[in-house]
Amino acid sequence: AQSVTQPDIHITVSEGASLELRCNYSYGATPYLFWYVQSPGQGLQLLLKYFSGDTLVQGIKGFEAEFKRSQSSFNLRKPSVHWSDAAEYFCAVGPGGGKLIFGQGTELSVKP
Amino acid sequence: DADVTQTPRNRITKTGKRIMLECSQTKGHDRMYWYRQDPGLGLRLIYYSFDVKDINKGEISDGYSVSRQAQAKFSLSLESAIPNQTALYFCATSDPTNSGAGANVLTFGAGSRLTVL
Repeated sequence: AQSVTQPDIHITVSEGASLELRCNYSYGATPYLFWYVQSPGQGLQLLLKYFSGDTLVQGIKGFEAEFKRSQSSFNLRKPSVHWSDAAEYFCAVGPGGGKLIFGQGTELSVKP
Repeated sequence: DADVTQTPRNRITKTGKRIMLECSQTKGHDRMYWYRQDPGLGLRLIYYSFDVKDINKGEISDGYSVSRQAQAKFSLSLESAIPNQTALYFCATSDPTNSGAGANVLTFGAGSRLTVL
């Protein structure tokens, strides 16, 4: 069955520290891969996407993600977290056609 | 104005009532979607529509119906609401004319929070 797992429900990091959010997926072929961010009271905003090419993808707000086929992973990283990065982050995979399968989400808290 | 507008933003209703959540978009996208968000479960697809004459069930369509009134409008109905339909509902659009992964990028509305008592 197709699925997406975000193992960390909640992560707290200090402002200025590095961040890595994990995403593992189960899928029969190479899917489209996405990371979205949801700020409180807002809809989801696309951070970055991947389908093919360079396995290290740059996104908005200084985020990047690396696709590792052998590990079925698409982890999100940021070298230095800002207080405004506090939000919920969703990994998603899709077969195409816009029908995405979302992970459970990881809530990020940032300590001053 | 937002690209994808959902109304109402918040609604409290009682068990058994009929509820309609509305979505309109100015993106000009053909494809529209309704997702439901529950804590710890992420987002799950309820229904999707690739054009005005095309409606498809998603992962969790039971208890819901939709109507695509125009390219820009896609409404979600709960004919007889029940408490476990309490959730945050999102409408989204995508543009299939974009290439590669871009064709699958969803543009989300701000969400409609529904509480069924």
